[in-house]
Amino acid sequence: DTGVSQNPRHKITKRGQNVTFRCDPISEHNRLYWYRQTLGQGPEFLTYFQNEAQLEKSRLLSDRFSAERPKGSFSTLEIQRTEQGDSAMYLCASRHRQGKGYTFGSGTRLTVV
Amino acid sequence: GQQVMQIPQYQHVQEGEDFTTYCNSSTTLSNIQWYKQRPGGHPVFLIQLVKSGEVKKQKRLTFQFGEAKKNSSLHITATQTTDVGTYFCAGEDYGGSQGNLIFGKGTKLSVKP
Repeated sequence: DTGVSQNPRHKITKRGQNVTFRCDPISEHNRLYWYRQTLGQGPEFLTYFQNEAQLEKSRLLSDRFSAERPKGSFSTLEIQRTEQGDSAMYLCASRHRQGKGYTFGSGTRLTVV
Repeated sequence: GQQVMQIPQYQHVQEGEDFTTYCNSSTTLSNIQWYKQRPGGHPVFLIQLVKSGEVKKQKRLTFQFGEAKKNSSLHITATQTTDVGTYFCAGEDYGGSQGNLIFGKGTKLSVKP
């Protein structure tokens, strides 16, 4: 169990630029989740994959956000035309189908300047 | 939509005192999970409760799930400085939205030695 890996750990970008984050889940976990967390708040659900299928997207996820999990392994989250309000910690989590809790990665902290 | 409320938002205790955080859901839950997030860290899974009225213990931590499966509590006996962090409850509602957890805003615990 090597844990959930997220890259990069930190990203500073100028408003209007596109950014992409990567998540490598635990290999035997078929479920992968993206959450966003801002200071003093709990994680907010963004989207969820079971294998390569994106099964659910939050209403929080504007059309500037897109996520993929092409082969049911790693996942990417892209934010186009970033805005200052996108500044947050983006957390990825994975879970085995029979599992209980989610295993979170260390997150990617995005700062939009 | 489903909401999970958590109180108190902050709790400051003297080392050795007890601590309790409470969680309420606007809908009946399939299960409730508890996570701990240390300062600067990511959420770490503590436990999942599934059955109505369930009580589980982990050393000094006691978790309860209400009879109606809409509320839960976490009680820590004789807090230690290692208990510092934010405790989140997160509810899963298969009836409303399969496959994602809705987190409360968390209770931030500080422990004075």
